[in-house]
Amino acid sequence: DSGVTQTPKHLITATGQRVTLRCSPRSGDLSVYWYQQSLDQGLQFLIQYYNGEERAKGNILERFSAQQFPDLHSELNLSSLELGDSALYFCASSVGASYGYTFGSGTRLTVV
Amino acid sequence: QQQVKQSPQSLIVQKGGISIINCAYENTAFDYFPWYQQFPGKGPALLIAIRPDVSEKKEGRFTISFNKSAKQFSLHIMDSQPGDSATYFCAATSDTGANNLFFGTGTRLTVIP
Repeated sequence: DSGVTQTPKHLITATGQRVTLRCSPRSGDLSVYWYQQSLDQGLQFLIQYYNGEERAKGNILERFSAQQFPDLHSELNLSSLELGDSALYFCASSVGASYGYTFGSGTRLTVV
Repeated sequence: QQQVKQSPQSLIVQKGGISIINCAYENTAFDYFPWYQQFPGKGPALLIAIRPDVSEKKEGRFTISFNKSAKQFSLHIMDSQPGDSATYFCAATSDTGANNLFFGTGTRLTVIP
C-alpha cells in the first residue's frame, strides 16, 4: 500500500456520461497530481493541486475538471465521456516534487 | 515539447544481462532525477533517484549514471531478472517553478529466461 488511495478501482460507463474519480493523498502530502495513461502509453500529466489551489495544468481537456478539498483529497470529474477517454487514471501525491511522487494504484475507466 | 527524452522505447534482455535505459534533458535547472518502475495494471513506484551533486548512485542491482555536462542520465540494471520486466520511466524536476515532475515516455523492458 503506497498510502495514496484511489477509488473506484474500476469504472465502466457509457459514452456521454459523467464520472468522478477520487484520490486521498498520503498523509502529510499537500500536492496532488492527476495523470492519464492510455493503453501502452506514457503518463500524460493532467493537473496539479497544492493545498487546495490549482498549481499547474497539463493536457487536460475542457470536459475534465478537478478540485482539491480542505481535507486535501481530490476529485477528477470527467464529463461527456468518449470512447477515447478509456484509460488508467492515476493520482500521485508529494510533499514536493523534489522528494518524488507516490502514486496510487489507479482507476481503470472503460467507456462503452 | 518533451522536457525529458527517453530511449529505447522497448528493450529485450536475456536473464543475467545488463539493461540500459537512457534519458536526456535540456533544462539546466533540473536538480532531481528519479526513475519509476511500473508493472502492468499498477501505479508507477519510485525505484531510485539521483541529484546532480553525484555522478552515480547504486542501490542493489540498480544504478543511475549521471552526466551533468551532457545533460544525460541512465539506468543500469545489472544481472537482469524476469521479475524486472516492467515499464521504466525517467523523470526530472527542479525546486523552482511549478515543481512538477516531467516524465520520459517510458521503456518497456522484457527479460527473457
